[in-house]
Amino acid sequence: GQQLNQSPQSMFIQEGEDVSMNCTSSSIFNTWLWYKQDPGEGPVLLIALYKAGELTSNGRLTAQFGITRKDSFLNISASIPSDVGIYFCAGQLTDNTDKLIFGTGTRLQVFP
Amino acid sequence: EPEVTQTPSHQVTQMGQEVILRCVPISNHLYFYWYRQILGQKVEFLVSFYNNEISEKSEIFDDQFSVERPDGSNFTLKIRSTKLEDSAMYFCASSGGRGAINEQFFGPGTRLTVL
Repeated sequence: GQQLNQSPQSMFIQEGEDVSMNCTSSSIFNTWLWYKQDPGEGPVLLIALYKAGELTSNGRLTAQFGITRKDSFLNISASIPSDVGIYFCAGQLTDNTDKLIFGTGTRLQVFP
Repeated sequence: EPEVTQTPSHQVTQMGQEVILRCVPISNHLYFYWYRQILGQKVEFLVSFYNNEISEKSEIFDDQFSVERPDGSNFTLKIRSTKLEDSAMYFCASSGGRGAINEQFFGPGTRLTVL
C-alpha cells in the first residue's frame, strides 16, 4: 500500500530553536494534513494543505505542499516545551477517497 | 470550540467478547470515520461513513467489524468477537466535507485492551 515516510524519526532540540520535519511518498497526494499527537490522546489538526506549492502558516507553524505533490514539510519556529509530542503528516490520494494515509511520525522532544 | 467525543476512554474485555465503542461527532459534520493505532505505530484507517452507509473500508475492517449511526448524534464501532490483536487505540473522526475539503477532526480515543 501507499507509504508516507517521515524524517527525522525523532528530534531532540533546545527551547527556542527552529524545527523542520518532512514527509515524502512515491505517490501523488491531493491533500496534506499535519497533526500533533500528545501521549494517550487523539491527533490534533495543525495545518491543512490543498494545492501544490501552497505555503500555509498557523502561528509559529509553517507547512508547504511540495510542487511534485509527493512531499510536504512542517517548520516550527522558536520551539517551546509544549511543542513536545509526535507530529504526523497525513495525505489523501484523490478527491474520490476520504481515507487519510498517515505517516510514520516524528517524535519531538524540547529541552528547556 | 466543538469537538469529537468518545466513550469509554478505556475498555478492557475478554477475547471473544463483543465491544461497542461510541463517538459523538461534531454536530454539523456529515462524514464520519474510525481509525485505529496499535501502540507505538502509526494511525490506520478503518472505515468511512456517509449518508447512513459505509463509503470506504480498509482490509482491516473485516466481517467482525460494523458501524452504525443509531440516532442523530452517535456513531458506533462494534467488534463482534474481539481478538488479542484488536488491542489498540480507536479514534473516531468527523469532517464537514469530502474530497478536496476534508479536514478530519479526531476524538481523544478509546483504548481497547483484549485479554
